[in-house]
Amino acid sequence: AQSVSQHNHHVILSEAASLELGCNYSYGGTVNLFWYVQYPGQHLQLLLKYFSGDPLVKGIKGFEAEFIKSKFSFNLRKPSVQWSDTAEYFCAVNEGGSTLGRLYFGRGTQLTVWP
Amino acid sequence: GAVVSQHPSRVICKSGTSVKIECRSLDFQATTMFWYRQFPKQSLMLMATSNEGSKATYEQGVEKDKFLINHASLTLSTLTVTSAHPEDSSFYICSAVGEDGTDTQYFGPGTRLTVL
Repeated sequence: AQSVSQHNHHVILSEAASLELGCNYSYGGTVNLFWYVQYPGQHLQLLLKYFSGDPLVKGIKGFEAEFIKSKFSFNLRKPSVQWSDTAEYFCAVNEGGSTLGRLYFGRGTQLTVWP
Repeated sequence: GAVVSQHPSRVICKSGTSVKIECRSLDFQATTMFWYRQFPKQSLMLMATSNEGSKATYEQGVEKDKFLINHASLTLSTLTVTSAHPEDSSFYICSAVGEDGTDTQYFGPGTRLTVL
């Protein structure tokens, strides 16, 4: 079975600092990769996704992620965070070509941004 | 687009009763929906895959007789927690696969179940 690791459980930053959240997965075949965000009291929202093509993916709100196949990684980045980015961030993977489309989630990273 | 709703958002019930949670895709049709459970400060755990017009596929360790799933239409899936016990108290989240052919899942806001 797939496993997804998010190494940072809680990250605290000041506004304007740069952000990088790590995500590694275990599956050796073709994968589809996602980052979801959950703002306080809200539901999961899709930030960005990678299916194929350019391994550097740009998402909403200035976020981007880079797929590095050799490292089984899909790290999330933002050059300058804002207070409004405070949220829980989840990395998720599904096995490319899987007709079931099941997603495997990491345990999440809580990001707190101080104004 | 791609909005998913859940009802109710919160429910409190007595031990031994059954609770039904609805998941609807509001502006798209979803042949596949998923049900997750989220424990405090933990990730989402997939419970089952709900397929329109067929039986749900349950993940290992999830009791299908306890968590009944019905996907009666292309916009509605229901999860019924039967004979609920306090250990079933949790946050239940559904998702629906969008129509863009990329397997992207769109999530509902979740239902907080508390069993007394």
